[in-house]
Amino acid sequence: AQKVTQAQTEISVVEKEDVTLDCVYETRDTTYYLFWYKQPPSGELVFLIRRNSFDEQNEISGRYSWNFQKSTSSFNFTITASQVVDSAVYFCALSEQGGTGGSYIPTFGRGTSLIVHP
Amino acid sequence: SAVISQKPSRDICQRGTSLTIQCQVDSQVTMMFWYRQQPGQSLTLIATANQGSEATYESGFVIDKFPISRPNLTFSTLTVSNMSPEDSSIYLCSGWTDTYEQYFGPGTRLTVT
Repeated sequence: AQKVTQAQTEISVVEKEDVTLDCVYETRDTTYYLFWYKQPPSGELVFLIRRNSFDEQNEISGRYSWNFQKSTSSFNFTITASQVVDSAVYFCALSEQGGTGGSYIPTFGRGTSLIVHP
Repeated sequence: SAVISQKPSRDICQRGTSLTIQCQVDSQVTMMFWYRQQPGQSLTLIATANQGSEATYESGFVIDKFPISRPNLTFSTLTVSNMSPEDSSIYLCSGWTDTYEQYFGPGTRLTVT
């Protein structure tokens, strides 16, 4: 079973629209970390946010906001007033404690391609 | 945060040859990972690079094909051995910091002809 599900393969919006990217995760661990990354056409993965499992406070950073809900195992990402520069593939990732020495092994979702039209 | 660089940024190689990719982090990281990303796909973890010991490989990846070294806390190499066209991909290095953040290098675009 997929541990990180990004059900939206591609989203297309017009500039200035708000858009929400969904992320649903699955874990039995009580301690884990959730991430969002942006991968623009240049290919480099840009770290956007990290959330730990004990911090359910929503976060806002400029036009970006994140809604973490443990009750529904979701960590959704909203871009307000989208811009063409937001066009990219966005990945949600989960790090659970496991592996050698209790290290956190990251697992990525399939990604959501966001296309913002002018 | 951590800034990660990779060399080479891209390469075109002939089948049967090997390529070593270098990954340098500007600060100490607790964990280093190597990923592969096929065009239009998500990231697949190849292995965790352990300092001073053998890497821990994920299912489907073996040391003979992808030998990894990590001689210190800021440097690692991944070798893609006996390459075939199926190895054409982007290879990404990442570092996990002691503040539980994961950063990525810019990737190495490998094409095998």
